Amino acid sequence: NAGVTQTPKFQVLKTGQSMTLQCAQDMNHNSMYWYRQDPGMGLRLIYYSASEGTTDKGEVPNGYNVSRLNKREFSLRLESAAPSQTSVYFCASSEWSSTDTQYFGPGTRLTVL
Amino acid sequence: AQRVTQPEKLLSVFKGAPVELKCNYSYSGSPELFWYVQYSRQRLQLLLRHISRESIKGFTADLNKGETSFHLKKPFAQEEDSAMYYCALLTGNTGKLIFGQGTTLQVKP
Repeated sequence: NAGVTQTPKFQVLKTGQSMTLQCAQDMNHNSMYWYRQDPGMGLRLIYYSASEGTTDKGEVPNGYNVSRLNKREFSLRLESAAPSQTSVYFCASSEWSSTDTQYFGPGTRLTVL
Repeated sequence: AQRVTQPEKLLSVFKGAPVELKCNYSYSGSPELFWYVQYSRQRLQLLLRHISRESIKGFTADLNKGETSFHLKKPFAQEEDSAMYYCALLTGNTGKLIFGQGTTLQVKP
């Protein structure tokens, strides 16, 4: 099992460009999450999906959209990237909810110039 | 407000010394707390959770509701313990985790 996979691993964007970060899990988990990690801020939840077809906002959703395409895939879209969105983005999944162990992907390092 | 605070950005100890990584939380409900760890070039992974009351890799953490703390302890640090450690709080029944800022543990030989 690959666990949680993320693409791309690195990305550089110019301000105003758009992009989609892809995440997939092969553990048949119901819940999936997107976090951003910034120095001195820890991990902050952007969006999460408790099940296929549902999404909900986390702590820092502004500037992002998500799609739970199916049970396996949960994508994060930046419609108009801003330098403040420079960060490392992590996708995670858990069997049902955060009570269960969350399994993390390797991360995507995004730089917005 | 719901909050997790890890007051130390960096904790540096020598091999064999005791380690205590501090975590304080603010939460009005009944807390569920976790420690996650990220070793160099590895993914973030669960280390332990307070409801399990287990010891993982020699680490333990006790929930102290009076002091609203969940400090991570190990009596004798090893070099392989060097990593970034995050304390996390489960909030409500929505399943959302709030993470602390993280503490880098550096164990020197």
